[in-house]
Amino acid sequence: ETGVTQSPTHLIKTRGQQVTLRCSSQSGHNTVSWYQQALGQGPQFIFQYYREEENGRGNFPPRFSGLQFPNYSSELNVNALELDDSALYLCASSFGTGNNEQFFGPGTRLTVL
Amino acid sequence: KQEVTQIPAALSVPEGENLVLNCSFTDSAIYNLQWFRQDPGKGLTSLLLIQSSQREQTSGRLNASLDKSSGRSTLYIAASQPGDSATYLCAVRPPSYDKVIFGPGTSLSVIP
Repeated sequence: ETGVTQSPTHLIKTRGQQVTLRCSSQSGHNTVSWYQQALGQGPQFIFQYYREEENGRGNFPPRFSGLQFPNYSSELNVNALELDDSALYLCASSFGTGNNEQFFGPGTRLTVL
Repeated sequence: KQEVTQIPAALSVPEGENLVLNCSFTDSAIYNLQWFRQDPGKGLTSLLLIQSSQREQTSGRLNASLDKSSGRSTLYIAASQPGDSATYLCAVRPPSYDKVIFGPGTSLSVIP
């Protein structure tokens, strides 16, 4: 059984640029959630995708967008990068929605200069 | 609005000590509560998950308890080891959405 994987591991961008982060869900999982973790803080929920549809969103602006593909992998896109977007981005996969445990990937460290 | 807090923010103990980490949440309507470990710059490793109907879960030297009515959970670590040094995060799953709401974490350092 393959766990949750994320790419790239690290990324450096400049203000105003756009970035795409990728997540492959654990085998058998059809739900992916994305979180942003700033240094020294707990992760904050960005949004969730279930069967290729957005299924809940946290308090993040529209320049944070996502996709889920038929194989249940997912992308997080961030436009017009700001310095405060520098963080560890985590994705988590689960089966279905509701009371099912989420399994987290290793994260992508994004630095915005 | 559900809020999760953790006390203390940081803790340093000598090797071999038993210790307790605390987690509080403001809304008792939760599906479950989960404890995670995070090593510096790394992802999250799930330690224990307690369903809302349960009172505690145990795994090895770890024991987590849940008191929904008071909005509290504790993570007990027995006979601490230097390898336990990490940040410990608690998170609750509210019933209205499928997100997980995290606390800020407790940074634990176990001194050899």
